[in-house]
Amino acid sequence: EAGVAQSPRYKIIEKRQSVAFWCNPISGHATLYWYQQILGQGPKLLIQFQNNGVVDDSQLPKDRFSAERLKGVDSTLKIQPAKLEDSAVYLCASSLESSWGVGGRDHYEQYFGPGTRLTVT
Amino acid sequence: AQSVTQPDIHITVSEGASLELRCNYSYGATPYLFWYVQSPGQGLQLLLKYFSGDTLVQGIKGFEAEFKRSQSSFNLRKPSVHWSDAAEYFCAVGPWMGGGNKLTFGTGTQLKVEL
Repeated sequence: EAGVAQSPRYKIIEKRQSVAFWCNPISGHATLYWYQQILGQGPKLLIQFQNNGVVDDSQLPKDRFSAERLKGVDSTLKIQPAKLEDSAVYLCASSLESSWGVGGRDHYEQYFGPGTRLTVT
Repeated sequence: AQSVTQPDIHITVSEGASLELRCNYSYGATPYLFWYVQSPGQGLQLLLKYFSGDTLVQGIKGFEAEFKRSQSSFNLRKPSVHWSDAAEYFCAVGPWMGGGNKLTFGTGTQLKVEL
């Protein structure tokens, strides 16, 4: 079974530029997550999709970050304009479901991609 | 709000020695708890999880963790560490019942293994 794919793996941009990250989840996984992991911290959820609808985007800085999952499969996370504090690893994860009681608790397990390391200079 | 504390930022152990990584959580109901490992340049890999039942759970790579409700802890253990275990370890709590699948992570513990 192929894992979660992300690209690019590394990106260096200057502040105020824009950047986009791509994620392809595991086939059949309805739920997709984007996490931000700042150096020295644990991952923080930015946005969660169930199919192509948003479940939780409460921690997404909506003035500069946007994300979409138009066909319920791949997803793109965009930052425009980037700030120095956006330097982080952006992790994508997927799971079969997001509502417990649907398919059992094992459907919760989130599978993570390798991440995109963003450096803003 | 749910939260996770990993009090040890760095831990160094000798290869073959035992390991215990601490995790304390704050959660309003019965928590679902996870331990993940992250090697350099890699994503997070699930080591083990606790939902209910037996408080001692076994995971991959010889790891185990014990849920102690009275101490709000979920410490990770391994009886004999291998050099390949050097990585960063994250404890997480979630998901919320009745809404989403949001994981809240601790700040991580960096494990160094001395040969």
